[in-house]
Amino acid sequence: AQSVAQPEDQVNVAEGNPLTVKCTYSVSGNPYLFWYVQYPNRGLQFLLKYITGDNLVKGSYGFEAEFNKSQTSFHLKKPSALVSDSALYFCAVRDPLYNQGGKLIFGQGTELSVKP
Amino acid sequence: DGGITQSPKYLFRKEGQNVTLSCEQNLNHDAMYWYRQDPGQGLRLIYYSQIVNDFQKGDIAEGYSVSREKKESFPLTVTSAQKNPTAFYLCASTRGAGQGRPDTQYFGPGTRLTVL
Repeated sequence: AQSVAQPEDQVNVAEGNPLTVKCTYSVSGNPYLFWYVQYPNRGLQFLLKYITGDNLVKGSYGFEAEFNKSQTSFHLKKPSALVSDSALYFCAVRDPLYNQGGKLIFGQGTELSVKP
Repeated sequence: DGGITQSPKYLFRKEGQNVTLSCEQNLNHDAMYWYRQDPGQGLRLIYYSQIVNDFQKGDIAEGYSVSREKKESFPLTVTSAQKNPTAFYLCASTRGAGQGRPDTQYFGPGTRLTVL
């Protein structure tokens, strides 16, 4: 069965420090992996995705994520956090072996709080 | 959120009423999706449609209905059979959803439904 886990409900970081939001996944084939960000009462904004190739993926707003097949992880990172990065972050996976209309499986979300 | 509109932003429903949430996209995307978001549970798929006049149930379709008469429109009706409809509803679309395609899902701004 396909699944995504975000083991931390909340991550607290000081502004200027590096941040990491963790994600692990379980699929039967090679996954497509996505990160989205959500601000209060807004829709999800796409940050980045991994399809194939280089394990380090760069995305919007200075975010990047590293695909680690052996650890089945896709952690989101940023070298220097901003207060404006405070939001809810979702990791999602799609197993390309199973069509299901392009269905994404989402983690439960991680609340990132960046303090000045 | 660009390219996908949802209305209304806030909706209040009395018990026993059916309500319809609108989703329109001008991205010329083939596939459209409806998700439900509850606190701490991530997003769960209600219905999806890969082409006009065709749609499939997602993981939590009971108490909901959809139609796809036009490519750009995918309205969701929350019926009185849905026991706990209070939630944030998100519509998404993607260029294609064929097997193996890594297309990104883009989201609308959401509709918050509250049952009084």
